[in-house]
Amino acid sequence: AQSVTQLGSHVSVSEGALVLLRCNYSSSVPPYLFWYVQYPNQGLQLLLKYTSAATLVKGINGFEAEFKKSETSFHLTKPSAHMSDAAEYFCAVSAYNDMRFGAGTRLTVKP
Amino acid sequence: NAGVMQNPRHLVRRRGQEARLRCSPMKGHSHVYWYRQLPEEGLKFMVYLQKENIIDESGMPKERFSAEFPKEGPSILRIQQVVRGDSAAYFCASSSRQGQETQYFGPGTRLLVL
Repeated sequence: AQSVTQLGSHVSVSEGALVLLRCNYSSSVPPYLFWYVQYPNQGLQLLLKYTSAATLVKGINGFEAEFKKSETSFHLTKPSAHMSDAAEYFCAVSAYNDMRFGAGTRLTVKP
Repeated sequence: NAGVMQNPRHLVRRRGQEARLRCSPMKGHSHVYWYRQLPEEGLKFMVYLQKENIIDESGMPKERFSAEFPKEGPSILRIQQVVRGDSAAYFCASSSRQGQETQYFGPGTRLLVL
């Protein structure tokens, strides 16, 4: 069975600062890994996806994530936070037919 | 290019009533997933369906909850005799194939049980 742990339920950064959202996974098979973003009262939108093609994955809105097998991590980063990045971020792992989500990290961006 | 559609977006029910949540997957997608999101919590998998088949319902409560995905029409998540603890956001996602495919999410149905 696979699982995901997101470290830090709340992260606060200043506008223009680096964003780092942490995700560690567990999977018995080579995983596919995802980051989704959820804005208030909306569904989840795919930010990026790792499928074993390249360890550094670039997504939308300037986000990227690096797959590190030795650390079983898939942390999400963005060099410079924007006010519009304030949202809830979910890491997910997929193996076979199902997907498991982390508990989410709420990102706050201070002016 | 319509995405995943869910209706209603908001649903209010009194305790003991039935709630029916509908999900129309993206065009060409035959795999549907239902998730529940409680306030301040992440998404919890409930059930995975393909057309006319339930593939995995390991996350769905054994009583009062049921799901279907008929040959024609949307997928339905049905909650009978709702209780206050059922108040949550229910999200539907769809994918084009089974396996490690990207799931595309609908906007969710927010159920409030009075």
